[in-house]
Amino acid sequence: DGGITQSPKYLFRKEGQNVTLSCEQNLNHDAMYWYRQDPGQGLRLIYYSQIVNDFQKGDIAEGYSVSREKKESFPLTVTSAQKNPTAFYLCASSRDRAGEQYFGPGTRLTVT
Amino acid sequence: GIQVEQSPPDLILQEGANSTLRCNFSDSVNNLQWFHQNPWGQLINLFYIPSGTKQNGRLSATTVATERYSLLYISSSQTTDSGVYFCAVWGDYKLSFGAGTTVTVRA
Repeated sequence: DGGITQSPKYLFRKEGQNVTLSCEQNLNHDAMYWYRQDPGQGLRLIYYSQIVNDFQKGDIAEGYSVSREKKESFPLTVTSAQKNPTAFYLCASSRDRAGEQYFGPGTRLTVT
Repeated sequence: GIQVEQSPPDLILQEGANSTLRCNFSDSVNNLQWFHQNPWGQLINLFYIPSGTKQNGRLSATTVATERYSLLYISSSQTTDSGVYFCAVWGDYKLSFGAGTTVTVRA
């Protein structure tokens, strides 16, 4: 089945620890994205990548880092510098820039 | 960046009722998507509709790009239609999301 997978579904961490969220797609899409959603709000763009080995900051990149070493994978690291990391994180992909975006099931991160 | 406003913020429907959700945006856009977020958080693609009208079962959408708005119609609503509906528009380098319309369909 073609689609986007994210793991884990739920993640709990202590303050001060870095954590990496996984995102994999088998749709052969060039572009991938990471969004953050806080309760009762829309999605905000963290990072995006239009092609392998290239990525750009979105609106709220501070405290996050990414890599794009393979077309299928776009992991997101939430670092200890992110002041309010508890949120719902969604990964998306599209065939190309400005194309229709498809979303994974999301990871709920709780940091205490 | 592009501003996206959705209305109403909340909508309560009786099963079987029809409704219209609106999305206004502040600038020209290259594409527009409607999503339904289910109770588990999954975003389901409803429409990719930069202009014109599309229909999918009981749902339909119309985008009037020149007037900078889009409408999502839900007909004969069912309890499974409950959730949050998001409009998102592509402009600048990114997809900008509205705050969503929370729809509750009562049996």
